[in-house]
Amino acid sequence: GAVVSQHPSRVICKSGTSVKIECRSLDFQATTMFWYRQFPKQSLMLMATSNEGSKATYEQGVEKDKFLINHASLTLSTLTVTSAHPEDSSFYICSAIPGGGYTFGSGTRLTVV
Amino acid sequence: GENVEQHPSTLSVQEGDSAVIKCTYSDSASNYFPWYKQELGKGPQLIIDIRSNVGEKKDQRIAVTLNKTAKHFSLHITETQPEDSAVYFCAASINSNQFYFGTGTSLTVIP
Repeated sequence: GAVVSQHPSRVICKSGTSVKIECRSLDFQATTMFWYRQFPKQSLMLMATSNEGSKATYEQGVEKDKFLINHASLTLSTLTVTSAHPEDSSFYICSAIPGGGYTFGSGTRLTVV
Repeated sequence: GENVEQHPSTLSVQEGDSAVIKCTYSDSASNYFPWYKQELGKGPQLIIDIRSNVGEKKDQRIAVTLNKTAKHFSLHITETQPEDSAVYFCAASINSNQFYFGTGTSLTVIP
């Protein structure tokens, strides 16, 4: 089946630095990808919709200057957490819709120290 | 827009018993209803889905039922095992263009 690959799976960074998370569609093209954030024992929170070749659409309350999304090709979307702070520590998950199904990446555990 | 509600938020069952998770949706145009299982530290994985032209679908110990009139659908897990312990999410979609997720159910199977 369709695979969405996400890297890295875990990352620890210092406060004030930036971290990039990659989301790749391995065997299909994705004009649209989605980025979610998930706190422990909580539901999926949609952050933004990534559109290939155009600007991402952010959900209300999500800072677009802090969470930079780039979707430069049909198989790659990246989420960059800029000037990370401990409160940005969370589980970030990307997803895409190959052929009518909804497929998630394996997630990235970000810890900001 | 579509609103999906999921209950219960937590569920504990004894190993071997059945578990049922229920979801309701608001938009009668929704026609695709997938269920996802999320294990700790991993992304959600599709476990079963159902389309609006079908009332029930079964895959081994997992089944999903859909009541279009009442706008609700349920996940049934029979003969539960400890490895079934996870968070389960339901979702509703119109023609797979946009997906709306429930808030999740944390299932614990007690050995």
